[in-house]
Amino acid sequence: GESVGLHLPTLSVQEGDNSIINCAYSNSASDYFIWYKQESGKGPQFIIDIRSNMDKRQGQRVTVLLNKTVKHLSLQIAATQPGDSAVYFCASAGGGADGLTFGKGTHLIIQP
Amino acid sequence: SQTIHQWPATLVQPVGSPLSLECTVEGTSNPNLYWYRQAAGRGLQLLFYSVGIGQISSEVPQNLSASRPQDRQFILSSKKLLLSDSGFYLCAWSISDLAKNIQYFGAGTRLSVL
Repeated sequence: GESVGLHLPTLSVQEGDNSIINCAYSNSASDYFIWYKQESGKGPQFIIDIRSNMDKRQGQRVTVLLNKTVKHLSLQIAATQPGDSAVYFCASAGGGADGLTFGKGTHLIIQP
Repeated sequence: SQTIHQWPATLVQPVGSPLSLECTVEGTSNPNLYWYRQAAGRGLQLLFYSVGIGQISSEVPQNLSASRPQDRQFILSSKKLLLSDSGFYLCAWSISDLAKNIQYFGAGTRLSVL
């Protein structure tokens, strides 16, 4: 079955630096990917998504890169701020109505 | 704009007691609805999803059940809670559009079974 995982459980960065959070997926049939941010005690918040016909997508201070050859995607956060501290999840889907498959999450810690 | 409501925010229940968690969505029609469970320090596990009234798909056999009595209402239930049912329960919705499947989450219910 599908599994989605993250390379590191915790990532610590200095405020103002760029952050890169990585994610690997196993199902080559997955064609849609989402990054979520979850703050403590809250529900996940949508950040950015990307379909498999793209390899890069940019949002406000965030960029998602998709490498279908090695089944890897990453989330880049520019100029990391204290408010970026959270757990970040990648999720994959086949495009239907069924639920997303989530990775375990990476806890992003911002050092002052 | 669309909003999703979950309640209660926290719940402490004894083992063997029943459970009813409710989720409602406003500002959209015929949404896809989902229930997830998140164990501490873990990712989200899909429990149930629904594409319409009375239509429930179960992803994991367990002590829980779900119902959708109205278009924008999704209920998670149990007749007898187990200790292992403790966790953070999240409801989510998405538009019924196969082109994308962005799911929008509620604030969650933290359930402690003692």
